[in-house]
Amino acid sequence: GAVVSQHPSWVICKSGTSVKIECRSLDFQATTMFWYRQFPKQSLMLMATSNEGSKATYEQGVEKDKFLINHASLTLSTLTVTSAHPEDSSFYICSARGQGRQYFGPGTRLTVT
Amino acid sequence: SQQGEEDPQALSIQEGENATMNCSYKTSINNLQWYRQNSGRGLVHLILIRSNEREKHSGRLRVTLDTSKKSSSLLITASRAADTASYFCATDRGTSYGKLTFGQGTILTVHP
Repeated sequence: GAVVSQHPSWVICKSGTSVKIECRSLDFQATTMFWYRQFPKQSLMLMATSNEGSKATYEQGVEKDKFLINHASLTLSTLTVTSAHPEDSSFYICSARGQGRQYFGPGTRLTVT
Repeated sequence: SQQGEEDPQALSIQEGENATMNCSYKTSINNLQWYRQNSGRGLVHLILIRSNEREKHSGRLRVTLDTSKKSSSLLITASRAADTASYFCATDRGTSYGKLTFGQGTILTVHP
């Protein structure tokens, strides 16, 4: 069964609104979580790395004020896309690592209209 | 960060044939991993090869790694229509284990 879940699996929102995506590790403690973004027919690009209890580290070119990441517990990280615009429409995938294990979530498809 | 290159970008074969995909990368690595992604879905981890390994097998999969050339190949033998998917290599490098850099991917189509 899945060891990393994401919620929601898909979401449609209006331009200017904020959307929160959750990533949960189900049967292990994830000390580190990674957030990736994948545009249609493209590869995955790492957006940020978050360690439990500390601030996320963002990759170059990723706006930290737009993509808010919170890793408040060892089983949950959230990505909030603030003031979403159509160009933020993408597939967002998290990856959880801990206790010698790493798994990817099933992804969340965000469509901004 | 720079992403690796994969070739071919697209590969179309008949069921039963072998499929070979190549991946090149730019930096030193701890390990290299291969993933499969069906259209619009999440990633499925296929195999991991460490930097001190040269070849690894898993079922119908064979992965090679040449660190001197900074390249890897994935061979799928006796392909099936169900193998149709995108395949990505991902390198794990530096001190931050788990921070993966993905290649551009190969779209494999296996015709029944």
